Amino acid sequence: SQQGEEDPQALSIQEGENATMNCSYKTSINNLQWYRQNSGRGLVHLILIRSNEREKHSGRLRVTLDTSKKSSSLLITASRAADTASYFCATDAGGKLIFGQGTTLQVKP
Amino acid sequence: ETGVTQTPRHLVMGMTNKKSLKCEQHLGHNAMYWYKQSAKKPLELMFVYSLEERVENNSVPSRFSPECPNSSHLFLHLHTLQPEDSALYLCASSPRRAGGYNEQFFGPGTRLTVL
Repeated sequence: SQQGEEDPQALSIQEGENATMNCSYKTSINNLQWYRQNSGRGLVHLILIRSNEREKHSGRLRVTLDTSKKSSSLLITASRAADTASYFCATDAGGKLIFGQGTTLQVKP
Repeated sequence: ETGVTQTPRHLVMGMTNKKSLKCEQHLGHNAMYWYKQSAKKPLELMFVYSLEERVENNSVPSRFSPECPNSSHLFLHLHTLQPEDSALYLCASSPRRAGGYNEQFFGPGTRLTVL
């Protein structure tokens, strides 16, 4: 089934560095969304990029979408310890979201 | 918080028990969802309700029984569960069920442990 696959599965960086996570998917989509989940909590929506968009910014977040390669990336600039969480991409192919397994990001103070 | 609440936050139950999970959204949304999140697995969509009508059931075992009495409330009734059903159960809502450009708003989840 269609599924977003994140890469890497785990990422550890120092505070102040940038973090990049990638997501690949298999079929055509309406949009792609990124969510954050702190340990044992619900998911929080970060950003949505539509299939006709190539790049989107929100604060320290930058998302790109390449529909020809069926891939997206999430860049977090100037990371903070509070950014430590799991990050999931979710693809919307009409009616429901399909989530990937996520990237676990650890930002060391 | 996102406007979606879930109770209880933690639940431990035996395999012969019957319990219910509750979800409430205060966002005026028309669609509500149940997800299961197990360790090392992607989030699994279980049920979708749109305007209080169940529109999707992703081959979930009958020991899970959803109920949506109105657009603000969603329940998941549990009975004769198995230890492998232990997981974090997440409720979410969105403005409408159809795709397009909608984000989903998640509750904090119920951590379920089946002994």
